[in-house]
Amino acid sequence: EADIYQTPRYLVIGTGKKITLECSQTMGHDKMYWYQQDPGMELHLIHYSYGVNSTEKGDLSSESTVSRIRTEHFPLTLESARPSHTSQYLCASSPLAGEAETQYFGPGTRLLVL
Amino acid sequence: GQNIDQPTEMTATEGAIVQINCTYQTSGFNGLFWYQQHAGEAPTFLSYNVLDGLEEKGRFSSFLSRSKGYSYLLLKELQMKDSASYLCAVKDSNYQLIWGAGTKLIIKP
Repeated sequence: EADIYQTPRYLVIGTGKKITLECSQTMGHDKMYWYQQDPGMELHLIHYSYGVNSTEKGDLSSESTVSRIRTEHFPLTLESARPSHTSQYLCASSPLAGEAETQYFGPGTRLLVL
Repeated sequence: GQNIDQPTEMTATEGAIVQINCTYQTSGFNGLFWYQQHAGEAPTFLSYNVLDGLEEKGRFSSFLSRSKGYSYLLLKELQMKDSASYLCAVKDSNYQLIWGAGTKLIIKP
């Protein structure tokens, strides 16, 4: 069973605020990912990391940043929240090799920007 | 461009069998995944195919034909708890996952 955690689970915030979504995993996985998903839509990759001090941009990265200082921790920061950021944010992790690099997901953070 | 196609919604009866199809056009192929996602929850891994053929795992089976860019997920002995969205995802030549929008499966008694 995958052990990956996200906080907060729900967040309501005003426009212009800076927010950080937390993600931690206890599986020792090297790769971690952030996705954005609207209801009934596909997952869109925001950022990913191959390991400590590695961060890469996905399709929707322009308005957010990530850091990977520790293997288990991969926070996502929105510098200035906008209503268009309202969505569900999913964090995932996978081993670097083996197991087909299957991605395991956290429970998600539902963000509402007013 | 890269594209994953799945039916938007399907309906089936409890106890029956349903097949959910997925066709893909991607830059390279390094495996195909099926995930289950209940409403409001995160996706959970179901199956992985990288070679042609059928992979069976309990009530769920997944089939792949790389030459046709086609896969299906077969669910047998449907239960009400199988009501969920089923996501098809393909790992491309850069080893990134390209996701379909998912098929919402409705199970009726």
